Amino acid sequence: EAGVAQSPRYKIIEKRQSVAFWCNPISGHATLYWYQQILGQGPKLLIQFQNNGVVDDSQLPKDRFSAERLKGVDSTLKIQPAKLEDSAVYLCASSLEGQWDTGELFFGEGSRLTVL
Amino acid sequence: AQSVTQLGSHVSVSEGALVLLRCNYSSSVPPYLFWYVQYPNQGLQLLLKYTSAATLVKGINGFEAEFKKSETSFHLTKPSAHMSDAAEYFCAVRNQAGTALIFGKGTTLSVSS
Repeated sequence: EAGVAQSPRYKIIEKRQSVAFWCNPISGHATLYWYQQILGQGPKLLIQFQNNGVVDDSQLPKDRFSAERLKGVDSTLKIQPAKLEDSAVYLCASSLEGQWDTGELFFGEGSRLTVL
Repeated sequence: AQSVTQLGSHVSVSEGALVLLRCNYSSSVPPYLFWYVQYPNQGLQLLLKYTSAATLVKGINGFEAEFKKSETSFHLTKPSAHMSDAAEYFCAVRNQAGTALIFGKGTTLSVSS
């Protein structure tokens, strides 16, 4: 079974530039998450989708971050304009259901962003 | 609000020694608790989970964790460390809505020969 796919793996940009990250979840997984992991910290939830609807985006900095999940499969996370503090690994995860008992999230390898 | 606190950002052990990684939680509802492991340049992988069944939970690679409500703890242990256990370990709690995970800051485990 293919895992969660993310691209690009690495990206270096100047501040105020824009960047986009792509995620393809495990086939059949209804729920998709974007987490931000800053060096030395645990992953922080940015946004959660169930199918193509947003369940929780309360911690997404909406002035610069946006995300979409068209057709309920792939998702794109965009940052525009980027700030130095956005340097982090952006992790995509998926799970079978939104309200789940097993609680297992399957993570991709992440996209590492460096903002100079 | 749900939260987890991992005590010790870095733990070093010798190969063959006991591994103990500490996690304390705060939860306004009965908690669902998890341990994830992250190897260098890889995504997070589930080690084990507590979902209100048995308080002693066994996971992959010989790890186990015990849920102690009186101590609000969910510490991760392994009787004998291997070099391959060197990684970052994250404790997590399910959020109150039951839809996502809240992670601790992580503990880096180093294993020396």
